[in-house]
Amino acid sequence: SQELEQSPQSLIVQEGKNLTINCTSSKTLYGLYWYKQKYGEGLIFLMMLQKGGEEKSHEKITAKLDEKKQQSSLHITASQPSHAGIYLCGADSGTYKYIFGTGTRLKVLA
Amino acid sequence: EAGVAQSPRYKIIEKRQSVAFWCNPISGHATLYWYQQILGQGPKLLIQFQNNGVVDDSQLPKDRFSAERLKGVDSTLKIQPAKLEDSAVYLCASTRDVAFYEQYFGPGTRLTVT
Repeated sequence: SQELEQSPQSLIVQEGKNLTINCTSSKTLYGLYWYKQKYGEGLIFLMMLQKGGEEKSHEKITAKLDEKKQQSSLHITASQPSHAGIYLCGADSGTYKYIFGTGTRLKVLA
Repeated sequence: EAGVAQSPRYKIIEKRQSVAFWCNPISGHATLYWYQQILGQGPKLLIQFQNNGVVDDSQLPKDRFSAERLKGVDSTLKIQPAKLEDSAVYLCASTRDVAFYEQYFGPGTRLTVT
């Protein structure tokens, strides 16, 4: 079965710093989604990547899917306290069966 | 439009007791998902409905968990009897249709089994 591994598991950065979160799949990705979860709340969809090499941005958050479609990175520029939360990558493991990574907890210090 | 509603938000029960969670998806959304999220882990799909039919329930512990989606709208997830390892957040999500990738999540129900 397909698995998604995220790194790092947790991250603490000073406000204004840039950071990167990685998501690695055990199999080729046919669709990779990024979600954000605030503590104690549901997930909020950020963006979806489908094509190898594709890059998308949402405000100060940029995500890219590598050419081989087995890894995605999410980059936050000039982090703010509002970026704090848990970032989860998700994928369709086949026939609309969705799986999620273990998540990366981000804390931004003001 | 109103988001996905879930109730209750929190529930504490003793092991071997029963519990039920309710979800009201976004109006018009045909596909509904129930996920279990254990602390420190990503959500795990328990069951997926397309209208009132089950698309995937391969990870649903059917000896104790059951779910239904009457009339293809609201859904209920039940645990009977609960075990300590069922302590988790239960998330409900919906999409317009099975092929739509953007899932809309409810706030979740945090279950504690003592």
